[in-house]
Parts: sequence; C-alpha cells; structure tokens
Amino acid sequence: QPVLTQSSSASASPGSSVKLTCTLSSGHSTYVIAWHQQQPGKAPRFLMKVEGNGFYNKGSGVPDRFSGSSSGADRYLTIANLQFEDEADYYCETWDSKASWVFGGGTKLTVL
Amino acid sequence: EVQLVQSGAEMKKPGESLKISCKGSGYSFTNYWIGWVRQMPGKGLEWMAIIYPGDSDTRYSPSFQGQVTISADKSISTAYLQWSSLKPSDTAMYYCARLSTVTTVDDYWGQGTLVTVSS
Repeated sequence: QPVLTQSSSASASPGSSVKLTCTLSSGHSTYVIAWHQQQPGKAPRFLMKVEGNGFYNKGSGVPDRFSGSSSGADRYLTIANLQFEDEADYYCETWDSKASWVFGGGTKLTVL
Repeated sequence: EVQLVQSGAEMKKPGESLKISCKGSGYSFTNYWIGWVRQMPGKGLEWMAIIYPGDSDTRYSPSFQGQVTISADKSISTAYLQWSSLKPSDTAMYYCARLSTVTTVDDYWGQGTLVTVSS
C-alpha cells in the first residue's frame, strides 16, 4: 500500500505563492493523487487530482489560483496570489488497485 | 448537483450501538465508491472503510477492520457506518465521501457527523 508524506506546516504572505508537496513512497511514483482543502471548522473540499505526468483536473468551482504539477514521486499543489481564506489544512490522498485509500498527514498552511 | 447529506450529531454512552448515514443525490449512486473518514479532535483524516453500492464490494482499513461495519441501501441511495459497541475513543467527526479513481471525475464530501461517546 502506498504511503504519502507531507510537510506538517507551511506559511506565506498574502499575495504571494506557495507550493505544497506530497511525496509517494517507493514503488508508487506513478500513482494519481487527490488534493483536499479543509478550512477551520469545515468539512474537507475536493480541489483536484494530479497524475504522474503532471496532468491535473480541478474540481468544480476551484479558483484558477490553484494548480497542480508533478515531478517523479512528488505531487504539488501551487496556490498563487494567496488569500487569507486559503489558510487551511491541505491533505493529499491516493488509492491502489485493491481499492484501498490512504491520506497524507496534512499540511497546515498559514497566511500571514 | 452532487450532494452527500449526513445524519445529525450523536451523543452516546460507552457500549451503545450506533448507525450513521450518508444520503447521495444528483448522481448515479450505484456507480461510485462511497467511503467513511474519521477525524479525531485536532487530528488528520483517516480512511476507515469504503463500499461500492453497485455490487456491495466493501474494503476496510486494517486499523478499522472488525471495529465498524459499512453498508449501503441502493434503493434509497444511502450509505451507513455502524458500531456495535461504542468506546470513548470513537469520539470524532465522521465524514462520508464519494470517490472515483478516474482523474477527470470529481470527489465530493458530506458535511460531517459528530459522534460523542461519554458516560
């Protein structure tokens, strides 16, 4: 089963950009991952899925400021022109051929 | 519009049983996996179990196997998560989610059900 590794925290200033990383474990570098955002006190929200070739597909209503990319076993979520409302926990998630799902530990993004 | 609507908050005593629900609408309920996710206070998201309502194929995270039961009633587009004997450590927010392994298909989340277990 794949394991997903995320940094526990990140911070950036309003108006700047931030790139969050999710790393797939050895042997799983081609896997598709999904990014989810959880604002304080709210349910998670699906943002996008990112493939190993860098293709990504955003969910309905997700602002253009959000984009995805990939390099090797790393999957990225980039947020441009940071807004205070982007302060949230960001989780990556993947699944394997046995329909077993797993989350990363999450990255807490602070906008300051 | 795809929606997942979960049942309301529950307050239970240790040893009691519980069944919470997640009703899907706006899509073909039988054609997508539905999963349950636990979030303990101040902690991250954990996959618990998942079901494919079309054929009732179910999978459990090893951490939750034997602890909970997932089921679905496709006639009313509703998935369930149940406990036979709750423990205080089951106190958490529980989310359901519609899932797809297809890159171009969105996932969706329910609003969450808070379960509190206390004597």
